[in-house]
Amino acid sequence: GQQLNQSPQSMFIQEGEDVSMNCTSSSIFNTWLWYKQDPGEGPVLLIALYKAGELTSNGRLTAQFGITRKDSFLNISASIPSDVGIYFCAGQVLKAAGNKLTFGGGTRVLVKP
Amino acid sequence: DSGVTQTPKHLITATGQRVTLRCSPRSGDLSVYWYQQSLDQGLQFLIQYYNGEERAKGNILERFSAQQFPDLHSELNLSSLELGDSALYFCASSVAAQGAPYGYTFGSGTRLTVV
Repeated sequence: GQQLNQSPQSMFIQEGEDVSMNCTSSSIFNTWLWYKQDPGEGPVLLIALYKAGELTSNGRLTAQFGITRKDSFLNISASIPSDVGIYFCAGQVLKAAGNKLTFGGGTRVLVKP
Repeated sequence: DSGVTQTPKHLITATGQRVTLRCSPRSGDLSVYWYQQSLDQGLQFLIQYYNGEERAKGNILERFSAQQFPDLHSELNLSSLELGDSALYFCASSVAAQGAPYGYTFGSGTRLTVV
């Protein structure tokens, strides 16, 4: 089945730093989505991408839908403590029969001690 | 509040037992999806319902079943529970069967602990 490889698995941030994470797939997706999950909560949608090459921003977050449709990246600029959490990429293939999202393994963002 | 309501929030039960998790989708959403998240793992798709009918199935065990009722709420039934079934179970909803253009809206999850 489809698999998404998300990297890095975890990272430490220092306030003010820019951070980046990415997702690659062996197959093509029509839609790429980025979610953030805080402890004890469900994932919350951050950015949705619908077209190859699309670059979309949401505040300090910027994400791109790769030209090959097999990858996406998410950048967080000028990180702040509340950016801590788990970030998931998700790919979707639109089918009439139903559209599950396939999720990457997540990138755990932690604060540098 | 995402608008997707899941109950109960926490559940502790013994091996071999059966439990039912409940989900009320966001108002106006016709599709409901169930996902399982084990400790420090990603989200594994279990099953999708659209307007009362099963639409897509993932890696859902035979011991698990789900349904969506006429009022669009959904229930996930887990039976003959094993220790390895301990996980967070998330419900998500979307307007259309196809999920896009805005992805899914997730509930806060039910944490199931099997002892």
